[in-house]
Amino acid sequence: AQKVTQAQTEISVVEKEDVTLDCVYETRDTTYYLFWYKQPPSGELVFLIRRNSFDEQNEISGRYSWNFQKSTSSFNFTITASQVVDSAVYFCALSEDYNQGGKLIFGQGTELSVKP
Amino acid sequence: DAGITQSPRHKVTETGTPVTLRCHQTENHRYMYWYRQDPGHGLRLIHYSYGVKDTDKGEVSDGYSVSRSKTEDFLLTLESATSSQTSVYFCAMSGRADEQYFGPGTRLTVT
Repeated sequence: AQKVTQAQTEISVVEKEDVTLDCVYETRDTTYYLFWYKQPPSGELVFLIRRNSFDEQNEISGRYSWNFQKSTSSFNFTITASQVVDSAVYFCALSEDYNQGGKLIFGQGTELSVKP
Repeated sequence: DAGITQSPRHKVTETGTPVTLRCHQTENHRYMYWYRQDPGHGLRLIHYSYGVKDTDKGEVSDGYSVSRSKTEDFLLTLESATSSQTSVYFCAMSGRADEQYFGPGTRLTVT
């Protein structure tokens, strides 16, 4: 069965610390997409990144970086030099049924608290 | 921003009453989805649509029905609301598997 696991329910760090959010997935598909979303206290879902199953290149966007490893079925997210504004719930998600537009399977979410 | 809206944004209703949530998109996307968000569960798929009048069940469809009579509108109906349906509901749209745009969410409280 397809599944996404975010084992870290809550993480608390002090500003400027680096933090890594873990995401492990299970899928039987050879073609799939992985996503990260941010949900700030205001409640909306903010798209951060998508990765397809054929592209294992790591990606960096400012203070954010993502490490995709098919060998371990992981798609981890690192925030470097965290800031208070990074406080949010972060969701990892897997897109299945490629031919049906890609229904998303979400992990349980990791609540990140960055303290000043 | 992607053109997807939800109405109402907040609703309080009593157990046993019918409730309809509306999702409206202006992007002419083929696929639309309803998810519910609950603590400890992330977001879970309720129903989805792959075209006008074409819908299918998701992971947590019991107690919900949907309709899509026009490309731009996807309605979620709780025929007889229960307290277990208190949740935040998100609508989403996509044109293909590698993109999904979410609406702002509807907070529903069933008392």
